[in-house]
Amino acid sequence: AQSVSQHNHHVILSEAASLELGCNYSYGGTVNLFWYVQYPGQHLQLLLKYFSGDPLVKGIKGFEAEFIKSKFSFNLRKPSVQWSDTAEYFCAVWGTGGFKTIFGAGTRLFVKA
Amino acid sequence: GAGVSQSPSNKVTEKGKDVELRCDPISGHTALYWYRQSLGQGLEFLIYFQGNSAPDKSGLPSDRFSAERTGGSVSTLTIQRTQQEDSAVYLCASSFSRTGAYEQYFGPGTRLTVT
Repeated sequence: AQSVSQHNHHVILSEAASLELGCNYSYGGTVNLFWYVQYPGQHLQLLLKYFSGDPLVKGIKGFEAEFIKSKFSFNLRKPSVQWSDTAEYFCAVWGTGGFKTIFGAGTRLFVKA
Repeated sequence: GAGVSQSPSNKVTEKGKDVELRCDPISGHTALYWYRQSLGQGLEFLIYFQGNSAPDKSGLPSDRFSAERTGGSVSTLTIQRTQQEDSAVYLCASSFSRTGAYEQYFGPGTRLTVT
């Protein structure tokens, strides 16, 4: 069965620090990968996605993620975080042959001003 | 265009009562999902409707939970004989892909509190 693991449940950073949130999945076939974000008081929204092609994908607000197939990973990165990036981040995976997307447990990011 | 809407936004109910939560997906989206989000528990999959096929109910935590989707559009999640552990935010999402391959669009959620 597919599963998604997010390594950090809580992350606290100061503004301008670099961010990397880990995401690993277990599925041997072709995958579509997603990062969703939930800002305080707002609903979940798509941050970025990977379907095929360049494994380095860029999303909104300066976020990017790299798909490393050999490591079954799709880590989220941002070179310099802002206070407004405080949110909860969810990694999600859909695998060919599966019929629902699997979400990770989420990572709560708090950025200190 | 309009996004996914859910009602009510908040619901407080007494233990043992039944509740119905409603989701209006984006028009034309064939897939509809229900999730439960509890503090510190992430996103828990409940049920998935995919077009006219039988729904995937594998995430429903007990037989007190049920859901239906009428006419391929509006969905209702029903919780019978509510328990305090049912307190959570219930999220609905829709997608134009039947298979879940593409992104989901989430509603604002219904916050359920069972007293």
